[in-house]
Amino acid sequence: DIQMTQSPSSLSASVGDRVTITCRASQGISNYLAWYQQKPGKVPKVLIYDASTLQSGVPSRFSGSGSGTDFTLTISSLQPEDVAIYYCQKYNSAPLTFGGGTKVEIK
Amino acid sequence: EVQLLESGGGLVQPGGSLRLSCAASGFTFSSYVMNWVRQAPGRGLEWVSGVSVSGGSTYYADSVEGRFSISRDNSKNTLYLQMNSLRAEDTAIYYCAKGDSGYARHWFDYWGQGTLVTVSS
Repeated sequence: DIQMTQSPSSLSASVGDRVTITCRASQGISNYLAWYQQKPGKVPKVLIYDASTLQSGVPSRFSGSGSGTDFTLTISSLQPEDVAIYYCQKYNSAPLTFGGGTKVEIK
Repeated sequence: EVQLLESGGGLVQPGGSLRLSCAASGFTFSSYVMNWVRQAPGRGLEWVSGVSVSGGSTYYADSVEGRFSISRDNSKNTLYLQMNSLRAEDTAIYYCAKGDSGYARHWFDYWGQGTLVTVSS
């Protein structure tokens, strides 16, 4: 099975900083990758699908890129409401594996 | 408005069984793939199982293969997860997640609030 590895596992940044999270697949998955945000005590919410398509209603400070095995989620200007755990997920084929998550905090 | 309402969670002894349900509304249930995702306390997300629109194709994580069974009743707009031979490591919040399409390659556009399953003696 394809493994999904996220880095870093956690980060702390200041409001307004540019934040980048990476996700690496152990084999190529084309662009079948989604990013989810899970705020404390809440249900996960999709931010990005097809590696780079922004879900309706998601702020434009979020963006995704990549294809094949290497992907990134970027928050262009970190806001207090972005404190959350971010997960990547592959969906080229079952199992629909999630990455281990990246916890984002405000410095 | 899309709504997914899970039920059936609770406390069960190791080796026991439990059946989860997810009642769906606000969309044409029979047109979308459906999944179960779980999250152990303080841990990350783990995809558990998925089912095709007709129910004819099912998919499982290795960790639950042979013990869990996913099904759907399109006439009742309900998704199920039959969980047998439960282990302590199955303790988690179980979420029902709707696929964005009826295709095998899909991401999750809506999630339920989850139901807690605790496996303990």
